[in-house]
Amino acid sequence: DIQMTQSPSSLSASIGDRVTITCRASQSITSYVNWYQMKPGKAPNLLIYAASILRSGVPSRFSGSGSGTDFTLTISSLQPEDFATYFCQQSNSSPRTFGQGTKVEMK
Amino acid sequence: QLHLQESGPGLVKPSETLSLTCTVSGASITSYTYYWGWIRQPPGKGLEWMGNIDYSGNTDYNPSLKGRVTMSIDTSKNQFSLKLKSVTAADTAIFYCARVDVSNWFGDWFDPWGQGTLVTVSS
Repeated sequence: DIQMTQSPSSLSASIGDRVTITCRASQSITSYVNWYQMKPGKAPNLLIYAASILRSGVPSRFSGSGSGTDFTLTISSLQPEDFATYFCQQSNSSPRTFGQGTKVEMK
Repeated sequence: QLHLQESGPGLVKPSETLSLTCTVSGASITSYTYYWGWIRQPPGKGLEWMGNIDYSGNTDYNPSLKGRVTMSIDTSKNQFSLKLKSVTAADTAIFYCARVDVSNWFGDWFDPWGQGTLVTVSS
């Protein structure tokens, strides 16, 4: 199985901050990485697919980059509704696997 | 607008079979560009992909579930289902259903997801 290692596991940030979350795959997965946002009691939301493609309707402050084994999700200017947990996921091979999540909390 | 909703018992006894259904509304489940998947999240832990099924009933399961999982699809009801047998407390989790977009060459992804349903395994 491909292991997805996310860092940090949590971070504290303020409104307007630039936030960066990284995900490292245990082997090359080209650009087969997706990013999701999760809030308690709500359906998870797809933010980015294929490493860097912004899902329609997702604010442009979210962006993704990377290829091979190292990937990044960036929030350019943190907004109140962005406090949530973020997960990366690989679709290079089966079984599909997720990172352990990054909780973004208010500083 | 596509909407997915999980349903099923919130409490299952150890050694029994967990059964959940995902009802899809707003679009037909019979599409060759989409699969249908299940993902779970134990309390305080990360996400685990359980498997996918396509509209023909072809499945892809996570080997970690060691043959305990069965997925099925009912196109007449626009639903797909999950069965997990011989459950233990370790199977307690929030279970999500999701559509899997397989229409592109650059991978696949889960979108949208259902809200999730908590299933507790306890006697």
